[in-house]
Amino acid sequence: KAGVTQTPRYLIKTRGQQVTLSCSPISGHRSVSWYQQTPGQGLQFLFEYFSETQRNKGNFPGRFSGRQFSNSRSEMNVSTLELGDSALYLCASRPNLDGELFFGEGSRLTVL
Amino acid sequence: KNEVEQSPQNLTAQEGEFITINCSYSVGISALHWLQQHPGGGIVSLFMLSSGKKKHGRLIATINIQEKHSSLHITASHPRDSAVYICAVTSGNTPLVFGKGTRLSVIA
Repeated sequence: KAGVTQTPRYLIKTRGQQVTLSCSPISGHRSVSWYQQTPGQGLQFLFEYFSETQRNKGNFPGRFSGRQFSNSRSEMNVSTLELGDSALYLCASRPNLDGELFFGEGSRLTVL
Repeated sequence: KNEVEQSPQNLTAQEGEFITINCSYSVGISALHWLQQHPGGGIVSLFMLSSGKKKHGRLIATINIQEKHSSLHITASHPRDSAVYICAVTSGNTPLVFGKGTRLSVIA
């Protein structure tokens, strides 16, 4: 059974640009959640989607958005990038809204 | 909002030692997760528990709901156990709140 797949793994952007990250969950998993990890703040919750509906949103500005498609794949978008958005972005999937999380390898974003 | 504290922040052990990592939280929870992160970023879920004790190989996780405290134990530690161990909690359908992590180095 394939694991959680995140693309791209690495990317470099400049301030003001936007970026879209993709997450393909484990087959059959309906929940996808996104997290930001930085050296200073550690792991922080961004949002969680279940059956195409956003169920929870973390304390991040509106520049951070996401969506989930009917096949459970999810994307997150960050617009008007700032230097502080440089981070490892992780997604995780699980069958339902409770239960063990399965993480992808992450997308490492560098903003110059 | 739940506050999650882990101790110690850093831990160096000799191969074979018994290791304990602690996690305390401030508000009642429905579940606590122990996660492992190796250099390079990937995170693996080790345990999810809401009461009692779970064991998987050399890893044991316990939780005391009344004291709002959990411990992760590693028996017969090995250099491949070197990683960051992260505790995270949730209450009902609230988002996970993470501790800052414990960086473990096991020396051969």
